[in-house]
Amino acid sequence: GAGVSQSPSNKVTEKGKDVELRCDPISGHTALYWYRQRLGQGLEFLIYFQGNSAPDKSGLPSDRFSAERTGESVSTLTIQRTQQEDSAVYLCASKITGGLSYEQYFGPGTRLTVT
Amino acid sequence: AQSVTQLGSHVSVSEGALVLLRCNYSSSVPPYLFWYVQYPNQGLQLLLKYTTGATLVKGINGFEAEFKKSETSFHLTKPSAHMSDAAEYLCAVSELNTDKLIFGTGTRLQVFP
Repeated sequence: GAGVSQSPSNKVTEKGKDVELRCDPISGHTALYWYRQRLGQGLEFLIYFQGNSAPDKSGLPSDRFSAERTGESVSTLTIQRTQQEDSAVYLCASKITGGLSYEQYFGPGTRLTVT
Repeated sequence: AQSVTQLGSHVSVSEGALVLLRCNYSSSVPPYLFWYVQYPNQGLQLLLKYTTGATLVKGINGFEAEFKKSETSFHLTKPSAHMSDAAEYLCAVSELNTDKLIFGTGTRLQVFP
């Protein structure tokens, strides 16, 4: 597909379980971002991957959150021992770096509900 | 640290009326500024962006925004609202080194017939 895709679109899990969210960026986009949107709050930056550089993890809220990216392709966001406050829509975005293209292209998101 | 403030979590207008959604930012250097729109059950879509050059920026669907450095503002306007404009509007500023976006809390626009 031409856009950023994310899976699953919806995930309901029990408190304490681990979840894995997937993001497929646009082909050729070297930068990849994860954001979180909790109800009634703005989007929060979580983590940023740029090529082979070390990721910027400054937005991860706790050590229960981790993310990986294989080269310049798929990324997975893992939340261990989920808590109810982890319930949110998790958005992935990708971007071409360099040049004058500053736009991040967002996926449709994964709605995570922790019961 | 950069931050973005969107005044008014909800804005309601009549169809055909002026739309004004406010956004103020705090940044010690000239930022890049963005407005995104989020329709129900859809992903974020870029409306317009300011990077350099002309301070009045035109975007899709008849929206425009003006970067006012003296007021640290980037308000979004549209002369005449349409029912299809009902959505969540998010203002964002980017950090220059990483381009990670700092978002405001969003404004939900309702358009009444």
